[in-house]
Amino acid sequence: QTVVTQEPSFSVSPGGTVTLTCGLSSGSVSTSYYPSWYQQTPGQAPRTLIYSTNTRSSGVPDRFSGSILGNKAALTITGAQADDESDYYCVLYLGRAIWVFGGGTKLTVL
Amino acid sequence: EVQLVESGGGLVQPGRSLRLSCAASGFTFDDYAMHWVRQVPGKGLEWVSGISWNGGSVGYADSVKGRFTISRDSAKNSLYLQMNSLRAEDTALYYCAKATSGYSSSSPNYWGQGTLVTVSS
Repeated sequence: QTVVTQEPSFSVSPGGTVTLTCGLSSGSVSTSYYPSWYQQTPGQAPRTLIYSTNTRSSGVPDRFSGSILGNKAALTITGAQADDESDYYCVLYLGRAIWVFGGGTKLTVL
Repeated sequence: EVQLVESGGGLVQPGRSLRLSCAASGFTFDDYAMHWVRQVPGKGLEWVSGISWNGGSVGYADSVKGRFTISRDSAKNSLYLQMNSLRAEDTALYYCAKATSGYSSSSPNYWGQGTLVTVSS
């Protein structure tokens, strides 16, 4: 069974830059997995940040960017702000109409 | 404006069935794939099922395969999830999501607010 891996937690200083990653239990993530990224705060529905590796969803500021770094998908936040403190999820396409979410990363801004 | 409104959740006994609905508006429903994603309160997101623009391609998570069926009705601009043989571990908030394109390889993009399903005796 394929597992999508994310850092359980991460911290960043206000104004700093952080890169969250999304990997596979076996194998490398490529653009063929169409990695997407979501932000979620408690009690709210997820908000789409990035889809298809590096396309920002409507209204998402350009300090959020997506890429492939080595064998993982990556979400980079530059100029972190207090309201970036959220849970971040990635999802990967495994083929045959199957998607799998990662376990999520809890980002703290302090 | 894209709007997705889920309904049909509630309390149901283990082994029973439930049908979730998602009413879509603000976009051309027939042009987009759709997804169901669930979340146990306080836990992470779990992709449940997806369907392509024309229903020709569907997928299910292993945890629900054989028990859940996704479908769509273009005349009603609605997405459905028929859930049979429900288990306690199916208890979650179920989100409907519009994909980025019509293909099953397009990820969830716009999200509804969810409908809560509780499976308990």
